[in-house]
Amino acid sequence: AQSVSQHNHHVILSEAASLELGCNYSYGGTVNLFWYVQYPGQHLQLLLKYFSGDPLVKGIKGFEAEFIKSKFSFNLRKPSVQWSDTAEYFCAVKDTDKLIFGTGTRLQVFP
Amino acid sequence: DVKVTQSSRYLVKRTGEKVFLECVQDMDHENMFWYRQDPGLGLRLIYFSYDVKMKEKGDIPEGYSVSREKKERFSLILESASTNQTSMYLCASSLYSSEQYFGPGTRLTVT
Repeated sequence: AQSVSQHNHHVILSEAASLELGCNYSYGGTVNLFWYVQYPGQHLQLLLKYFSGDPLVKGIKGFEAEFIKSKFSFNLRKPSVQWSDTAEYFCAVKDTDKLIFGTGTRLQVFP
Repeated sequence: DVKVTQSSRYLVKRTGEKVFLECVQDMDHENMFWYRQDPGLGLRLIYFSYDVKMKEKGDIPEGYSVSREKKERFSLILESASTNQTSMYLCASSLYSSEQYFGPGTRLTVT
């Protein structure tokens, strides 16, 4: 079965800094990949997804992720973070009808 | 907009009680899921269902059961609540194998 690793458990940044959160999945073939975000006190919501095609995927709020098949990776990036990006971020991979989630990365952005 | 609602945001129960967590989605989605979310562990799948009266065990089904009598409703049952079931419970739904939409969560405390 698939598994997902998120190496950064807690990231602290100042506003305007660049962000990259790592995500690796365990084995290849056709994969569907997702990044979800959970703002404090809010629902988990979809940030972006990759099913096929262009490996650079753009999501909401200026986020993007790059699918690199050879590295089994799907890292999340944002060139300049804002205080409002403070949240927990989860990477997920589809495994048959299920999603397998990573353990999450807590991002804190200070003004 | 897809709406997934959960019956309670906060619930406090005593050890040994039978607990029902209800989830309703309004988008005619085939698939519904129950997760628990714990700090440092991410989201772990308890049970899922891809049709009425169908259920599949997830990664951590022990101590839980589910019921899906109607397409829009998926219930999670703790037959005899224990303190190690204190957690945030998230319900989600999806249309076949597309992205999942999450409810607001129920924070359950078992004392």
